Amino acid sequence: KAGVTQTPRYLIKTRGQQVTLSCSPISGHRSVSWYQQTPGQGLQFLFEYFSETQRNKGNFPGRFSGRQFSNSRSEMNVSTLELGDSALYLCASETGDQRDTEAFFGQGTRLTVV
Amino acid sequence: DQQVKQNSPSLSVQEGRISILNCDYTNSMFDYFLWYKKYPAEGPTFLISISSIKDKNEDGRFTVFLNKSAKHLSLHIVPSQPGDSAVYFCAASAPYRGSTLGRLYFGRGTQLTVWP
Repeated sequence: KAGVTQTPRYLIKTRGQQVTLSCSPISGHRSVSWYQQTPGQGLQFLFEYFSETQRNKGNFPGRFSGRQFSNSRSEMNVSTLELGDSALYLCASETGDQRDTEAFFGQGTRLTVV
Repeated sequence: DQQVKQNSPSLSVQEGRISILNCDYTNSMFDYFLWYKKYPAEGPTFLISISSIKDKNEDGRFTVFLNKSAKHLSLHIVPSQPGDSAVYFCAASAPYRGSTLGRLYFGRGTQLTVWP
């Protein structure tokens, strides 16, 4: 069974630009969550999508947005990039319709803003 | 506001000995707890979990203990091996919109180093 796939693995962008990251969940999983990992803050929850609907949202500015497609693949977008957006962005998938199950993570996209 | 805390950023243990990683939480609504292991440049890998209806869960060399009254959990690794060297994250979740998991709250991680 294929794992969670995130593309691209690495990205370098300039301040002010926008970026789109992609996540393909495990087959059969309908929930996709996004997390930002930085050295100072650990893993911070961005948002979660289930069946194409945003179900939960963390405390990030509106520059961070996402969407989910009918095949459960998800994208997140960051507009007007700032230096502080440099981080490892992780995507996690799970079934989404039951409790007490673990989330499976992708390898992440390392975003560097210069 | 850090609802899950791992107060030890690092832990160094000799191979063969026990590693004990600790985690505290503040939200009494948390009812499911997980431990993840993370190597550099990789995503977190699920290790073991525990529901709040239990106080212990074991899987091979890994045991998680939950003390709800103290809002504390710990991960024991026995015996520790050099390949266990990684960052360990504690995570918790609360019921959300019915039965679904929804969101994980993570601690900041503990770097475990197991030396020969």
